[in-house]
Amino acid sequence: DVKVTQSSRYLVKRTGEKVFLECVQDMDHENMFWYRQDPGLGLRLIYFSYDVKMKEKGDIPEGYSVSREKKERFSLILESASTNQTSMYLCASSAYSGEITDTQYFGPGTRLTVL
Amino acid sequence: LAKTTQPISMDSYEGQEVNITCSHNNIATNDYITWYQQFPSQGPRFIIQGYKTKVTNEVASLFIPADRKSSTLSLPRVSLSDTAVYYCLVGASIKAAGNKLTFGGGTRVLVKP
Repeated sequence: DVKVTQSSRYLVKRTGEKVFLECVQDMDHENMFWYRQDPGLGLRLIYFSYDVKMKEKGDIPEGYSVSREKKERFSLILESASTNQTSMYLCASSAYSGEITDTQYFGPGTRLTVL
Repeated sequence: LAKTTQPISMDSYEGQEVNITCSHNNIATNDYITWYQQFPSQGPRFIIQGYKTKVTNEVASLFIPADRKSSTLSLPRVSLSDTAVYYCLVGASIKAAGNKLTFGGGTRVLVKP
């Protein structure tokens, strides 16, 4: 079974703090993703990566950055956390299988609260 | 960028069939349609995927008309454990130039006894 783990289930930070959210997958997947999930808005893609050291902006990258130094690990960074970044953050990974949409495997999520 | 629209919620009863329709008017030629299920406090998980006509697996069926501008997820004989949020996703491989993956807003399905 594919396993995607996220470093914390719950996190509370203060405005202006630098926040690191870590994600690790154990299936040697090429692709990794970070989403945020808010009531009524569904899942919105923040960033994704299809290879080590590669990153692509998703739909809402503002205020976030990412790092992928190793294939199994994808980090989401909030340089200076703000209250509007309070949300559920979901990490996912997928193998590149060619032309079809790659099935994504999700972690359990990190609920971040910024005070 | 294929935008998707789903109903916000729907209620059903145990044993009934639940049909959830997703609209995706500007779906691209190489886009596939994928549905995910999400239980509370968990990440979404893959249910079914299709390109056209009908796809069936042990969990659900997916109906896609010829114009592919919508799709319907069908859950046969639901049980209480099918209570979840269901997401429609339209897109192709992320390596296809210019494509992004767009999740719909999700449909909250409540199955009642």
